[in-house]
Amino acid sequence: KQEVTQIPAALSVPEGENLVLNCSFTDSAIYNLQWFRQDPGKGLTSLLLIQSSQREQTSGRLNASLDKSSGRSTLYIAASQPGDSATYLCAVSQGNLIFGKGTKLSVKP
Amino acid sequence: GAVVSQHPSRVICKSGTSVKIECRSLDFQATTMFWYRQFPKQSLMLMATSNEGSKATYEQGVEKDKFLINHASLTLSTLTVTSAHPEDSSFYICSARVGDEVGTEAFFGQGTRLTVV
Repeated sequence: KQEVTQIPAALSVPEGENLVLNCSFTDSAIYNLQWFRQDPGKGLTSLLLIQSSQREQTSGRLNASLDKSSGRSTLYIAASQPGDSATYLCAVSQGNLIFGKGTKLSVKP
Repeated sequence: GAVVSQHPSRVICKSGTSVKIECRSLDFQATTMFWYRQFPKQSLMLMATSNEGSKATYEQGVEKDKFLINHASLTLSTLTVTSAHPEDSSFYICSARVGDEVGTEAFFGQGTRLTVV
């Protein structure tokens, strides 16, 4: 059974710092991995999608990597801003999406 | 990206009544939509897969008679929580994939906060 783990569960950083969020999964037989952002009481916003054959994807200040063989992905956020404060979820696709519990990020002004 | 619209965003209902939640794909067609439930500080849990023109597929432990799913068109799926009880209070989110293929990107609605009193 696929299990997705996100570390840390919560993270607080000062504005301007670069940071890394981690996601690990137990079964490497995935179609893709997707990173989402969730604001309190809201739905999910898709940030980056990495296909199983890809190693990384970039969008603006965000960079996501995927090492399928080791079951790991990282989301790198450069020059963090208070507006980046949210919960970040990763999910792997094996037909259906299987989610981690998320990392709650707080960026202090 | 593609847009999935969910309505209502919040609903409060009395125990024993039924509540309908709508999920629409605004700029694409989706033969398959997905319904999730999210408890505080927990992962999203897949409840069921909604299939246009056919019966929904429910995950183990999800009561199909309590959570009625109808996918009547290529852009609309509905989830009806029947005879709601306080333990049904939760955050419900729907999603759809563009292209309906397994490896494509999933987009999510805004979610519905259901409170049963």
